[in-house]
Amino acid sequence: GENVEQHPSTLSVQEGDSAVIKCTYSDSASNYFPWYKQELGKRPQLIIDIRSNVGEKKDQRIAVTLNKTAKHFSLHITETQPEDSAVYFCAASVTDSWGKFQFGAGTQVVVTP
Amino acid sequence: DTGVSQDPRHKITKRGQNVTFRCDPISEHNRLYWYRQTLGQGPEFLTYFQNEAQLEKSRLLSDRFSAERPKGSFSTLEIQRTEQGDSAMYLCASSSPGQGRDQSTDTQYFGPGTRLTVL
Repeated sequence: GENVEQHPSTLSVQEGDSAVIKCTYSDSASNYFPWYKQELGKRPQLIIDIRSNVGEKKDQRIAVTLNKTAKHFSLHITETQPEDSAVYFCAASVTDSWGKFQFGAGTQVVVTP
Repeated sequence: DTGVSQDPRHKITKRGQNVTFRCDPISEHNRLYWYRQTLGQGPEFLTYFQNEAQLEKSRLLSDRFSAERPKGSFSTLEIQRTEQGDSAMYLCASSSPGQGRDQSTDTQYFGPGTRLTVL
């Protein structure tokens, strides 16, 4: 069945450095890949997404890349700030189901000043 | 606040009791999803509605779980005879039909969740 693996599970970075989170998916027909940020006790919030007809997308300090052949996609955060500290989840759309996502297990990002 | 809302935010119950949660989606969204999230894990899909029709249920959803969306607006999720293993955050999300013919690419917006603790 569909499966999304996310690495690393925890990531500590110094303020100003870059953070990279990687996800792989098993459903070769997945065509939509959102990333959510969840702060402690709060709802997951969409921060960026990418569709399968695009290889890269950037929004200020956040970028996502997609390699359809290898079935993996990555989140890149540059110039990290303490407010970037949160759990980040990747997800992939499931093709045999309308609108259903398969989520990764999450990455706890800690940005230290 | 025009986002997805959920009520209650927290629920503590004793094993064996029934509980019901409510989700109010973003008003123009016709799709509504329920997820369950346990500590250290990503959200797990439970069920999905398009308007009032429940189109899919996860095999994770036992017979003790039932969801409704009678008028195609708010939805309720009921858990009967709760068990300690039901303790989790229950998240609701909503979306509107995606652009073009590919309707699997809706952006889902999440509510704040209902944290259930079963004692």
